[in-house]
Amino acid sequence: EIVLTQSPGTLSLSPGERATLSCRASQSVTSSFLAWYQQKPGQAPRLLIYGASSRATGIPDRFSGSGSGTDFTLTISRLEPEDFAVYYCQQYGSSLMYTFGQGTKLEIK
Amino acid sequence: QLQLQESGPGLVKPSETLSLTCTVSGGSISSSVYYWGWIRQPPGPGKGLEWIGSIYYSGSTYYNPSLKSRVTISEDTSKNQFSLKLSSVTAADTAVYYCARRPPMGAFDIWGQGTMITVSS
Repeated sequence: EIVLTQSPGTLSLSPGERATLSCRASQSVTSSFLAWYQQKPGQAPRLLIYGASSRATGIPDRFSGSGSGTDFTLTISRLEPEDFAVYYCQQYGSSLMYTFGQGTKLEIK
Repeated sequence: QLQLQESGPGLVKPSETLSLTCTVSGGSISSSVYYWGWIRQPPGPGKGLEWIGSIYYSGSTYYNPSLKSRVTISEDTSKNQFSLKLSSVTAADTAVYYCARRPPMGAFDIWGQGTMITVSS
């Protein structure tokens, strides 16, 4: 089973700043199957990025994903007030198994 | 516009079987393009997401190895629904349960709102 480790656990930033969130896998992940989600309290997760770098429908271009192999990054170029939430990475492996990272909480500084 | 809606009992007694249904509207679960899945999230800060299992239109199922012995996912195409059964539940199964759609690219792109299931006597 591939384990995804996200860092930092909590990121404190101000609106307008740039956010960089990391997702590291215990073994190589097929880039096509690395995704990022945003979750706000009381809501279901929302797909932001799939295939490591493709934005989902309706996602603003301030969100971008990059990376390959075992290291992946979600970048939010300029934080808006509505971007403060918890972010999860997720991978889909060849064994038809899905795993999620433990999440990064992005909070207002 | 595709929508998913979970339904279930809310409260389940320990050792019993949890049964949940996901009703899909605005699209067909019989499409050969999509998988359909169940994901859960225990309550409380810092609690993450756990994939439970998925089903393909053909009826093929895929389960999280850690839950496989207790999980059954099935579909009812006539009602455009798919279901989750989790047997021998304990307090550790208390969570918000989500159903979701998974297109070929491997991510879950449409989610239900989730339903809270509490395991307690």
